Amino acid sequence: QSVLTQPPSVSAAPGQKVTISCSGSSSNIGNNYVSWYQQLPGTAPKLLIYENNKRPSGIPDRFSGSKSGTSATLGITGLQTGDEADYYCGTWDGSLSAYVFGTGTKVTVL
Amino acid sequence: QLQLQESGPGLVKPSETLSLTCTVSGGSISSTSYYWGWIRQPPGKGLEWIGHIYYSGNTYYNPSLKSRVTISVDTSKNQFSLKLSSVTAADTAVYYCAVVAGTTEFDDWGQGTLVTVSS
Repeated sequence: QSVLTQPPSVSAAPGQKVTISCSGSSSNIGNNYVSWYQQLPGTAPKLLIYENNKRPSGIPDRFSGSKSGTSATLGITGLQTGDEADYYCGTWDGSLSAYVFGTGTKVTVL
Repeated sequence: QLQLQESGPGLVKPSETLSLTCTVSGGSISSTSYYWGWIRQPPGKGLEWIGHIYYSGNTYYNPSLKSRVTISVDTSKNQFSLKLSSVTAADTAVYYCAVVAGTTEFDDWGQGTLVTVSS
């Protein structure tokens, strides 16, 4: 059972915005950087956001990340059908001495 | 950008040892800039971190798997490997190798390889 909790699913129409929350604790999100990963159907995860709010080269600015206290949020604006995927947050947990992933959120474009 | 490719048997019998190798290209596995990791994903489920290794051999393992896991580096072949002993059906998953090039995030991933545990 993951220590990082995400909503199972979110959905919106094309062009709209969605946000995905990732809730943790002081031993993980509260004291460490958060990353976000996108997993398109049948493919390997891909890094979307690192160090809470930074985007790797090639990731459009439609994707954004933020962190406040023991929670983090991924935002996707201008939703496209190609954004339909599973999204995972991840961070180091100092109490567990382990890297932990969130439970995952499926994004559906209506 | 680094390229990673997993290889190994797709079928392992219960109680035996799962062995996978990740071949790295586009960079040196001996670089002081990287950590090398394994992550797995059971069919239809979420991601689970297995462990990391630094080129020097320092390792970090998931406490829930620590007693069964060994990750090692072969600098001569630019590869790192995963061994998971005493496997059961619960170890059936897609196994990914990945690289940590920054702080803690997994920057690049292999395509993944499905390992099924079955007799």
